[in-house]
Order: sequence, then structure tokens, then C-alpha cells
Amino acid sequence: QVQLVQSGAEVKKPGASVKVSCKASGYTFTGFYIHWVRQAPGQGLEWMGRIYPNSGDTNYALRFQGRVTVTRDTSISTAYMELNRLTSDDTAVYYCARGDLADWGQGTLVTVSS
Amino acid sequence: DIQMTQSPSAMSASVGDRVTITCRASQGIGNYLAWFQQKPGKVPKRLIYPSSSLQSGVPSRFSGSGSGTEFTLTISSLQPEDFASYYCLQYNNYPQSFGQGTKVEIK
Repeated sequence: QVQLVQSGAEVKKPGASVKVSCKASGYTFTGFYIHWVRQAPGQGLEWMGRIYPNSGDTNYALRFQGRVTVTRDTSISTAYMELNRLTSDDTAVYYCARGDLADWGQGTLVTVSS
Repeated sequence: DIQMTQSPSAMSASVGDRVTITCRASQGIGNYLAWFQQKPGKVPKRLIYPSSSLQSGVPSRFSGSGSGTEFTLTISSLQPEDFASYYCLQYNNYPQSFGQGTKVEIK
């Protein structure tokens, strides 16, 4: 079955960067987009960006452009989301999701605190 | 970017009630809309994709309708396990965008 397993919780200081991984299994990794969605505490879902693993093509939400980078390593079926210049507003659970968003990772809590 | 306006943002309802949630797009998106349910501390679950197609395993009391700019999610008879937050998502254009969410609470 399809599984997306994300890396563990992170605590970062303001100004730092974080890189979250999403390891896929149970399907052909290169055949489906991987999306990144975040959710701040008590808030709604926010789409951040996506990558097509076969080509490496990416799209990003305007508000994150210049600050987020989504990459992939097809040899290990893993996608990555790196967010730079963190502020307390970036404290959130970050999710990866496959293709048509039927399958999601378990989420990674990123806490930004001095 | 396409803005998705979801209403209401919260509502109280009783078991057995009919519940309707609306999502409006700032421009036409065809039927490229999905609905998700999220319970506290859990991963979002896709219910409907595209606008009126029920995901396999989702109870038939859930239904979706609409196209263009206006969409609805209807729960025909609210059950205790349906108390949750619901989100629409447009995927016609990139960047994709979610509605702000609707929290359905017990009256």
C-alpha cells in the first residue's frame, strides 16, 4: 500500500532553515507529484508547493517563493522540503501528500522558537 | 492566484441534521475541486474528488456538487463521527489553494 513517511519533529531558532523529508513506498515514486501542505496551530491547511519527481519540475505558492525549495532523490524515493529564514509564524505541522492528495504523510511538527 | 472562500467558518449542528458547506472560487475552476475532512490531531482525509465524486469508502451521506465558481459539500444526516473540520481545495490552477475551513461542532 502507499506510504509516505516523514522525518521527525524539529525545533529551530528564528533565521534558521529546516529540511523535512518524505519517503515514499508502495508505488512508482516518479509517476506522481509530491505536494507540501502546512498547518499552523489552530489554523487551516496551506498549500506550499509541489514537485514532479520524474522531471524535478516544481511549483510554489507565491508567498513562499524565494524561501522554500522542494527537491527529490529518486534513488531513495524521497522528497524534501526546505524552508529558509524561519520565523515564529512558520511553526506548523508540515505534510507531504501524493498526487491527487489521497495519500498523506503523518506530518512533521516544526517549532520555531528562540 | 485563485482565492477560495469557504462558508460558514464554523457551525453547530445536531446528530441527524443536514449540513451544507459552501466554497466559492474567485474565478472558474471547472470541477477541479476536492473536499477534505480533518479531525483534531489527524491527517486530512480526502472525501470527494473531483467536485462530486465520492472517494471509495466514504459514507454515502456525504455528497458534493457544483462547478465553475460555486461548490457545496452536503452531509445528509450528520453522525457523531462527522464532527470535524472540512476544507475545499481547488486544483485547476497552480498554485493550488484551500478554503479557510469549516469547523462542525456539536450543538
